[in-house]
Amino acid sequence: AQKITQTQPGMFVQEKEAVTLDCTYDTSDQSYGLFWYKQPSSGEMIFLIYQGSYDEQNATEGRYSLNFQKARKSANLVISASQLGDSAMYFCAMSDSGNTPLVFGKGTRLSVIA
Amino acid sequence: GAGVSQSPRYKVAKRGQDVALRCDPISGHVSLFWYQQALGQGPEFLTYFQNEAQLDKSGLPSDRFFAERPEGSVSTLKIQRTQQEDSAVYLCASSFTGPINYGYTFGSGTRLTVV
Repeated sequence: AQKITQTQPGMFVQEKEAVTLDCTYDTSDQSYGLFWYKQPSSGEMIFLIYQGSYDEQNATEGRYSLNFQKARKSANLVISASQLGDSAMYFCAMSDSGNTPLVFGKGTRLSVIA
Repeated sequence: GAGVSQSPRYKVAKRGQDVALRCDPISGHVSLFWYQQALGQGPEFLTYFQNEAQLDKSGLPSDRFFAERPEGSVSTLKIQRTQQEDSAVYLCASSFTGPINYGYTFGSGTRLTVV
């Protein structure tokens, strides 16, 4: 069974600073994908970034990058140059294919301070 | 449509009442997923469909929960005899059959409050 662990219930970061949100995962599958989603107070799940298990390079999308360490089974999200609008819940998730359910962690609440 | 549409956005039900939550996925998306998200928690899987076939319903918490997708597009999650513990946000997501990085698109959810 797949499992996602997010150990930081809450994080604070100063505006314009970088922040790392931790995510570790457990799976016996060789092929899998890792996702990060942002959930603002309005409730929608916003896709941020994706990393495939066979991707050799860390994924990047604008200010978001994923620090993928396969041997350690970690997939940390790095947000650079934090903005006040980044304040939200962040969820790490995984799936073993595009057609099977995502498994989510419990999330990290990020608060950006001016 | 352009995104996944869920209705109603908010639902207040009296304990014991039946409710029906609707999800309209992105056109052409074969897979459809339902999740339950309790306050302050991550989404928990309920059930999923490929076209009209319900391939996994292992996450449904009791036989009061029932989901259908009769024509392989719109899906309805029905909760019978609602209980207070059913209060949560119910999220629907759809995905295109293909490589995993096609990703999943979520609707805005239905917030169910049972009083």
